[in-house]
Amino acid sequence: KQEVTQIPAALSVPEGENLVLNCSFTDSAIYNLQWFRQDPGKGLTSLLLIQSSQREQTSGRLNASLDKSSGRSTLYIAASQPGDSATYLCAVGAGNMLTFGGGTRLMVKP
Amino acid sequence: SQTIHQWPATLVQPVGSPLSLECTVEGTSNPNLYWYRQAAGRGLQLLFYSVGIGQISSEVPQNLSASRPQDRQFILSSKKLLLSDSGFYLCAWGPSIEQYFGPGTRLTVT
Repeated sequence: KQEVTQIPAALSVPEGENLVLNCSFTDSAIYNLQWFRQDPGKGLTSLLLIQSSQREQTSGRLNASLDKSSGRSTLYIAASQPGDSATYLCAVGAGNMLTFGGGTRLMVKP
Repeated sequence: SQTIHQWPATLVQPVGSPLSLECTVEGTSNPNLYWYRQAAGRGLQLLFYSVGIGQISSEVPQNLSASRPQDRQFILSSKKLLLSDSGFYLCAWGPSIEQYFGPGTRLTVT
């Protein structure tokens, strides 16, 4: 059974810092990996999708990497802003199913 | 463009009462549909998914049921709510390998 772990569970950084969020998974037989953002009391917003054949995806200040063989993904956020404060979730996909990690709660302080 | 709706946004129900949460998707046809629950302090748990009208798969044994009476409509129900059914319920749709989430319904069972 796939298990997804995100470290750290919570992170507080000053504005302007570059930061890395980590995601690890136990079964490397995945179709894709998706990073989401969740604001308090809201639904999930898809940030980046990396297909199993890809190694990274970029969108603006966000860069996500995928290393299937080691069962790891990272989400890199450049020049963090207070508006980046949210919970970030990674999810690994196999077929039509996603398995989610527990999330990293990020606070960016002005 | 595709949009996903959920209602109600919030709901407070007494133990033993029935439940009906609705999810509809616009701008696409024959989507895969999903119901997730996010309990306080816990990750997202997949409850049900559907690949077509009348086709429902349940991921965990529980007090809830799901139905898909129309192509773009997904309903989550219960005949008698339990305290443990409290949580944030998210509906999602996916064309195949990606999933897009609705705004969620906050259910409090008292």
